[in-house]
Amino acid sequence: QSVLTQPPSASGTPGQRVTISCSGSSSNIGSNTVNWYQQLPGTAPKLLIYSNNQRPSGVPDRFSGSKSGTSASLAISGLQSEDEANYYCAAWDDSLNVVLFGGGTKLTVL
Amino acid sequence: EVQLVESGGGLVQPGGSLRLSCVASGFTFTSYWMHWVRQGPGKGLVWVSRINSDGRSTNYADSVKGRFTISRDNAKNTLYLQMNSLRAEDTAVYYCARDPTVTGIDYWGQGTLVTVSS
Repeated sequence: QSVLTQPPSASGTPGQRVTISCSGSSSNIGSNTVNWYQQLPGTAPKLLIYSNNQRPSGVPDRFSGSKSGTSASLAISGLQSEDEANYYCAAWDDSLNVVLFGGGTKLTVL
Repeated sequence: EVQLVESGGGLVQPGGSLRLSCVASGFTFTSYWMHWVRQGPGKGLVWVSRINSDGRSTNYADSVKGRFTISRDNAKNTLYLQMNSLRAEDTAVYYCARDPTVTGIDYWGQGTLVTVSS
């Protein structure tokens, strides 16, 4: 039921800005808010962005989120080696009555 | 400190059953919806089920509907996942997660591994 589409991989060099996209439809991203999660290797996921563009306390302002129509994006500026992780978008789907996760994007810091 | 501690995972044969538990502490359990999310080996996150704060409303992914049952005991601050008719494709780390409803899932446990194999 993964109908949120993310690129499988992304990369950047330290200090660069990278963006990760998440494409959905009118029944999920188009009508509900989007969350982003970061999963470092071997650990549980961690909330990075909620309600499209809000950062929980403790999340650096290098991380930002946006949403337009049926797509959302996560931007990471000033890329650091510790940002190397898998990133997932998520949204509720009104038609399926399920939480959808994107397939995940593996970010590599070169 | 918020804690979600899962237990109950292990090795089970195809067709078998297992019950996962998740003990919550450090927050008001009754104020949160709760979810189970799983992650197969080397795979992405897949939502399994959620339950509202009083336990009266539940939702399931199609892949587990009719086989898995989510429940909670608010007196014990504990979330459960009863898994029946297990299949090899159910092999995964199962995460318990809390949801204040305003933000969606905001905190995850460390997970418990379920392996379905003969």
